[in-house]
Amino acid sequence: QSVLTQPPSVSGAPGQRVTISCTGSSSNIGAGYDVHWYQQLPGTAPKVLIYANSNRPSGVPDRFSGSKSGTSASLAITGLQAEDEADYYCQSYDSSLSAWVFGGGTKLTVL
Amino acid sequence: EVQLVESGGGLVQPGGSLRVSCAASGFTVSSNYMSWVRQAPGKGLEWVSVIYSAGNTDYADSVKGRFTISRDNSKNTVYLQMNSLRAEDTAMYYCARDQGCSGGSCRMKWFDPWGQGTLVTVSS
Repeated sequence: QSVLTQPPSVSGAPGQRVTISCTGSSSNIGAGYDVHWYQQLPGTAPKVLIYANSNRPSGVPDRFSGSKSGTSASLAITGLQAEDEADYYCQSYDSSLSAWVFGGGTKLTVL
Repeated sequence: EVQLVESGGGLVQPGGSLRVSCAASGFTVSSNYMSWVRQAPGKGLEWVSVIYSAGNTDYADSVKGRFTISRDNSKNTVYLQMNSLRAEDTAMYYCARDQGCSGGSCRMKWFDPWGQGTLVTVSS
């Protein structure tokens, strides 16, 4: 059971918009700690997609965006492409555990 | 180019020990905070340990007292010494550079970049 809760899977057709939620609590996201998002393509290492809630590293398409509100955060992907098929993870800090924590991951399928 | 390359993974028996390495290029590990993150087969990500630029360290409760993180500045390499290994330690072990630390606090940090990982299998 992960400290941050994500849906196990989401899907969408090419060109559509999907969102992935990340729900935490008052000891992590709700305490004001930043949320970061990673993309893990099959058989590869994770790569940062969004950092500090809503910032995109250089090279990440603006089809990817992040937001945070209260005890939750969301990753939105617009204009879905086949190459977006991957696992996505959110990450934050938890003050009760004194540890950096990840969501359980969400598998995105492009139909 | 900033790059991390892990090595040293393999098959080890329960109760055994193993040391994995992370060689960095394009930046100096001693001036950065470096972490290990693991991923059990088919599972999610779990932060394991961090070494700060001052040399102090921190660990997840699941490995505290069994794992030790260290670095060799002359080799620009970070290590994870794993003792008393258990089946549940079976995972791909990734090293990563910490980003976003400010004023001595890393609570807002994220991990970038990551190495390609090294697989540790604990089994008899």
